[in-house]
Amino acid sequence: DIQMTQSPSSLSASVGDRVTITCRASQGISNYLAWYQQKPGKVPKLLIYAASTLQSGVPSRFSGSGSGTDFTLTISSLQPEDVATYYCQKYNSATWTFGQGTKVEIK
Amino acid sequence: QVQLVQSGAEVKKPGASVKVSCKASGYTFTSYYMHWVRQAPGQGLEWMGIINPSGGSTSYAQKFQGRVTMTRDTSTSTVYMELSSLRSEDTAVYYCARVSTYYDSSGPIDYWGQGTLVTVSS
Repeated sequence: DIQMTQSPSSLSASVGDRVTITCRASQGISNYLAWYQQKPGKVPKLLIYAASTLQSGVPSRFSGSGSGTDFTLTISSLQPEDVATYYCQKYNSATWTFGQGTKVEIK
Repeated sequence: QVQLVQSGAEVKKPGASVKVSCKASGYTFTSYYMHWVRQAPGQGLEWMGIINPSGGSTSYAQKFQGRVTMTRDTSTSTVYMELSSLRSEDTAVYYCARVSTYYDSSGPIDYWGQGTLVTVSS
């Protein structure tokens, strides 16, 4: 099975900082990659799909890039409401694996 | 509007089985695949499997093969996830989650159920 590895597992940044989270697939997955945001006590929310397409209604400070095995989620200017855990997920072929998550906190 | 409404919390003893339901509304039930995802307390999201509500075909994560069964009832627009031989490590919130793409399993998840807490304890 293809494994999805996120880094870092957690980070702390100041309001206004640029934040980057990476997700690496153990084999190429083209651009079949989504990013989700999960706030405490809430269900996950789709942020980005097809590696770089912003879901409707998601603030433009979120962006995604990558293809093949290496992907990034970037928050251009971190806001207090962005405190959450972020997950990548591959969605091609027969398994739909999630990364282990990256917890984002405010410094 | 799309809604996925799951059954209520369950408490089970080790070795027992649990069956969680997810009733869909607001869209054509048979046109969109449905995942089951679980989340243990304080842990990440874990994909369990997917069902095609149209034909009933399924694909399960290797970890759950032999212990999980996903079914659907098209007359009530409901999908079910049954997990057997429960152990304490199965204590988690279980989510149903809809694939966003029409008649295609290769799409991201756009809607989630509210989650069902399953507690396994003697």
